[in-house]
Amino acid sequence: AQSVTQPDIHITVSEGASLELRCNYSYGATPYLFWYVQSPGQGLQLLLKYFSGDTLVQGIKGFEAEFKRSQSSFNLRKPSVHWSDAAEYFCAVGADQAGTALIFGKGTTLSVSS
Amino acid sequence: DTGVSQDPRHKITKRGQNVTFRCDPISEHNRLYWYRQTLGQGPEFLTYFQNEAQLEKSRLLSDRFSAERPKGSFSTLEIQRTEQGDSAMYLCASSPPLGAWTEAFFGQGTRLTVV
Repeated sequence: AQSVTQPDIHITVSEGASLELRCNYSYGATPYLFWYVQSPGQGLQLLLKYFSGDTLVQGIKGFEAEFKRSQSSFNLRKPSVHWSDAAEYFCAVGADQAGTALIFGKGTTLSVSS
Repeated sequence: DTGVSQDPRHKITKRGQNVTFRCDPISEHNRLYWYRQTLGQGPEFLTYFQNEAQLEKSRLLSDRFSAERPKGSFSTLEIQRTEQGDSAMYLCASSPPLGAWTEAFFGQGTRLTVV
């Protein structure tokens, strides 16, 4: 079955520290992978996406993610977290480039301490 | 480009009532999606339109749920005979015609509370 697992429900990091959010997927075909961020009262915003090519992808707001096919993972990273990064982060996998039917993980809530 | 617009933002209804939500996609986007998000969960795909054609509706949660996009522009999602379990955030997204880097843009959602 197709699924996305985000093992960490809640993570707290200090401002300025590095961040890694984990995502594992189970998908029969070549996956199209996405990371979205959702702030309170806001819609989902796309941070980055992977379709093919270089397995390290750069996104907005200084985020990057690395696709590792052997580990079925697509972990999100940021070298230095800012207080404004506090939000909920969702990993998703899709069947095609448009994400016709995105399958989302349950999300990881990021808190940033000063 | 004002983004994906959803109306209303919040809806409180009594159990058994019908509700209808509207989604206005980004103007040049021909694909439109509906998702449901319950507390502590990621969004769950419901249905999808390409222009006015509803290409995927098998994941609508029950026959009480229906969606339309009559002119290929805005879309409505209707829930009949609402139940408390329908309380959730209903998200709409749109995307342009399929291309190498197509992505879905999400609206802010309609939060439904069934009392």
